[in-house]
Amino acid sequence: SAVISQKPSRDICQRGTSLTIQCQVDSQVTMMFWYRQQPGQSLTLIATANQGSEATYESGFVIDKFPISRPNLTFSTLTVSNMSPEDSSIYLCSAEIGQETQYFGPGTRLLVL
Amino acid sequence: QQQVKQSPQSLIVQKGGIPIINCAYENTAFDYFPWYQQFPGKGPALLIAIRPDVSEKKEGRFTISFNKSAKQFSLHIMDSQPGDSATYFCAAKAGNNDMRFGAGTRLTVKP
Repeated sequence: SAVISQKPSRDICQRGTSLTIQCQVDSQVTMMFWYRQQPGQSLTLIATANQGSEATYESGFVIDKFPISRPNLTFSTLTVSNMSPEDSSIYLCSAEIGQETQYFGPGTRLLVL
Repeated sequence: QQQVKQSPQSLIVQKGGIPIINCAYENTAFDYFPWYQQFPGKGPALLIAIRPDVSEKKEGRFTISFNKSAKQFSLHIMDSQPGDSATYFCAAKAGNNDMRFGAGTRLTVKP
């Protein structure tokens, strides 16, 4: 298994600003993922972040809006850029262990005013 | 993105009952099927997982039943407790591809 932490746990931001969310894993992992989850809804994959390569984005998500860094095997960041109220959501990171199982962080609750 | 259909959307049972949550998929390349439990304000937590070479897997009060020919799998919670009240997500993964999640089932277990 893996223990995953996220910072911040929640934030309230103004329209037009950017927020960087940090994700730390307690072991080295190759693949990390970033998801968005609206309250009461399922998880939507934003991008896959492999160490040493560019992140791969899902349809509907672009690097200019959601730049991702993956500087090493235990850490990743997701930035939500030029935020609008529509970006209000829960952002989750996960790490893949054993090439199949994903373990999730506690999430970052973002409210954009 | 959803390639896994989950039902019901919500479920209410009495304490001690056996809630059953069902999932169906189309992609026969899926070879790993986990279930996640999510409490309000928390991230999803892996509950139990199965591969298609077995028809059933049990861990404590949680059982996955898997029907490969029907491309369906389900979660059964034996002797359900109020503490099991949460949202449950099924998921499916094919090799090195991304995990696909069901829409989720909100379970309420009444005392």
